[in-house]
Amino acid sequence: SQQGEEDPQALSIQEGENATMNCSYKTSINNLQWYRQNSGRGLVHLILIRSNEREKHSGRLRVTLDTSKKSSSLLITASRAADTASYFCATASEETSGSRLTFGEGTQLTVNP
Amino acid sequence: ETGVTQTPRHLVMGMTNKKSLKCEQHLGHNAMYWYKQSAKKPLELMFVYSLEERVENNSVPSRFSPECPNSSHLFLHLHTLQPEDSALYLCASSHGPGQGTDTQYFGPGTRLTVL
Repeated sequence: SQQGEEDPQALSIQEGENATMNCSYKTSINNLQWYRQNSGRGLVHLILIRSNEREKHSGRLRVTLDTSKKSSSLLITASRAADTASYFCATASEETSGSRLTFGEGTQLTVNP
Repeated sequence: ETGVTQTPRHLVMGMTNKKSLKCEQHLGHNAMYWYKQSAKKPLELMFVYSLEERVENNSVPSRFSPECPNSSHLFLHLHTLQPEDSALYLCASSHGPGQGTDTQYFGPGTRLTVL
């Protein structure tokens, strides 16, 4: 499997519910980032968590990182229809320069009003 | 607006055409990237320009040719493309190596269709 795999591939929930997306990776990392992409548009950076951090919050977003399991999760609380998008994790590896990120295949989140 | 612009937003070209995609960043960044995004595939990093260094993905065919005249502008020159090259081409920029976290800022993309 590839670096930065998201799970599930697709998630459909009702407005107000929480959405949890998971990401697994293979190599040692400097940091892990989550991005959002609306259909046919560019990616927008959401949140970054460093390898020495375990949890981070930003508004309705909560990210966790477990380096022993090489996994991360993104939780969106109290979801809104406007949260409908694809969500990607991206890793900055220790083995490459900080300029390069490896992206996963993404999770398509649909929030139904 | 992320501070990264791309033109054109949509492009339809034949396999014998030559065209160029343009990207411009207004963020004072030192690194710029080209990505290819095809349906149901991860983003594929094509080229990186970071300060004076160019790094390329060796799997990118020679029919794609990047040009970075300065730190604010990036081009992707296209010639004799194939239908499988149809995809969303995304440009991104970041502060560059040694600048910490290196979050990337993306443009809106160019939707390319090769007939």
